[in-house]
Amino acid sequence: AQSVSQHNHHVILSEAASLELGCNYSYGGTVNLFWYVQYPGQHLQLLLKYFSGDPLVKGIKGFEAEFIKSKFSFNLRKPSVQWSDTAEYFCAVTSGGYQKVTFGTGTKLQVIP
Amino acid sequence: DSGVTQTPKHLITATGQRVTLRCSPRSGDLSVYWYQQSLDQGLQFLIQYYNGEERAKGNILERFSAQQFPDLHSELNLSSLELGDSALYFCASSDQRGPEQFFGPGTRLTVL
Repeated sequence: AQSVSQHNHHVILSEAASLELGCNYSYGGTVNLFWYVQYPGQHLQLLLKYFSGDPLVKGIKGFEAEFIKSKFSFNLRKPSVQWSDTAEYFCAVTSGGYQKVTFGTGTKLQVIP
Repeated sequence: DSGVTQTPKHLITATGQRVTLRCSPRSGDLSVYWYQQSLDQGLQFLIQYYNGEERAKGNILERFSAQQFPDLHSELNLSSLELGDSALYFCASSDQRGPEQFFGPGTRLTVL
């Protein structure tokens, strides 16, 4: 069964600091990878996705993620965070034909002005 | 706004009761997914329906059931409610072109 690990549960950064959130998955076949964001009191929204092609994926709001197949990783990055990036971030993976999505446990990001 | 709607937004009920949560997917989406989000368990996949048929099952309790109707809306039924069932319940939908899911605003269930 596929699984997703997000090792950082809670991250606190100052504005303008760089961000990297780790995501590792366990599945040997073809996967689709996602990062979702959940702002306080809101529903999950898609930040970016990787299906195939260029392993460096750019998403909304200046976020990017890099798929490293050999490391089973899909880390999320942003060069300079803003207070408005305070949210919970979920990594997710799908595989197979049924689109069953496995989510990581989430990382709460707090950005201090 | 993702195009996925959920009703009600909030629900407060007592232990032992039964409730029904409703979800309308985005226009044209055939797949509907249900998730439970709680502080201690995080985001848990419950069940997926595709065009009226159950497609995948996750950590769904036997006290919970779901169905997808011919008009593609879905209902999640929670019965014999316990305090621990208090959570946010999200519905998501996707179309046939890709596994990207679009989430609804959620229903916050409080069991007293």
